[in-house]
Parts: sequence; C-alpha cells; structure tokens
Amino acid sequence: GENVEQHPSTLSVQEGDSAVIKCTYSDSASNYFPWYKQELGKGPQLIIDIRSNVGEKKDQRIAVTLNKTAKHFSLHITETQPEDSAVYFCAASIWTGNQFYFGTGTSLTVIP
Amino acid sequence: DGGITQSPKYLFRKEGQNVTLSCEQNLNHDAMYWYRQDPGQGLRLIYYSQIVNDFQKGDIAEGYSVSREKKESFPLTVTSAQKNPTAFYLCASSKGTGNYGYTFGSGTRLTVV
Repeated sequence: GENVEQHPSTLSVQEGDSAVIKCTYSDSASNYFPWYKQELGKGPQLIIDIRSNVGEKKDQRIAVTLNKTAKHFSLHITETQPEDSAVYFCAASIWTGNQFYFGTGTSLTVIP
Repeated sequence: DGGITQSPKYLFRKEGQNVTLSCEQNLNHDAMYWYRQDPGQGLRLIYYSQIVNDFQKGDIAEGYSVSREKKESFPLTVTSAQKNPTAFYLCASSKGTGNYGYTFGSGTRLTVV
C-alpha cells in the first residue's frame, strides 16, 4: 500500500516568516494530495489540495507544490500568523482507491 | 448548515465494556470513514463505508464494529476485544471514494478507566 512520510514533526517560526512542510509518497499511482489543518481538540479541516495534473496551487498565503517525478509535495505558508499554529497533515490517495493515506503530522508553532 | 456531528465529545469506558460512538452527517455524502488518532502516529483507518448496508475493514479493524443502516449515520462500536482503546476517534465523510476531500467531525476522545 501507499506510504506517506512527513517532515518535520515539529516546526517553530517567528510571526511573519514562512513555513514549509514536506511529504513524500511511495505509490506512483497516487494522484490526489490534500492538506489538513487540525487545531487542538478539533477535527482536521481541508485547507488546500492538489491533483497530479497540476504542479502548484495557491490560495492567499498558502501554496502547495507537487513533484511527481520525485514523488514529493510540500505545503508553503507565507507571512505566518499566530492563528496558523496547529497540526498539519498531508495525505495521498488514488482515484480508484478507497482511502487516504496520511502523514504523521507537523506541529507548527508561530511565535508572536 | 451542513456538517458532520460526532457525539459524545468525551467518553469514559470501564475495561470489558462495549461503547458506541455516534457519527451523523447531513451533507448527502455517500462515503463515511472512521479513523483513530494517537500521538505521533497520524490517522489510521478503522472502517469505511461507500454505500448503505456495506462497509469494509481498514488497517486496524480488530476490536471494532460498525453499521451503515442509513446514509446519514455510521456508528462505531469499540468492543472489549480492543486491547488499547484509549484514543481520539475521528469520523469523516466524502462525496465518494478516491479524489474527494474529507469533511471531518470534531472527534470523540475515549478513555478507558
């Protein structure tokens, strides 16, 4: 099955700086890559996703890049704010598959 | 507003007891999922259902059971056979399997006392 690895497990940045979280996947058939943000005591929320026919996608301060050849994708958050502090999960799935495979999460702390 | 509701938010279970976690969605989603979350281990799939009256085991189904009698509801029973049930349980739904994003509930924290 698919194996998704996520790094780093913890990340601290100063407010206003950028944060980058990286994920790799093993199954070249994976073609959908969502990112989720989980605040303490709550369920994860989808913040951005990318499909394999696109190399980059942006939504205001958040962007995701995908390198299919290297089988890795990354989340970029610019101009970080304290409310960005949360755990972020990457995931991968196959169009014909039945589930997402999640990374182990990155705990992001934005220091005011 | 449409959404997915999990209850209760906190649940305490004595050893040897079965407990049932509720999950209800009004998003008209076909697929529903149960995940278990432990610190440092990400999310692991317990069971999923693509359609009413049908469900499939995920990676860690042992000690759990589910039912899908209605499209809106996908309850999870944690049985006494589950040796380490203390965890945060998340229910999710999606339009279908594959390339559809999940909508997650707010979770149930189960503690064995």
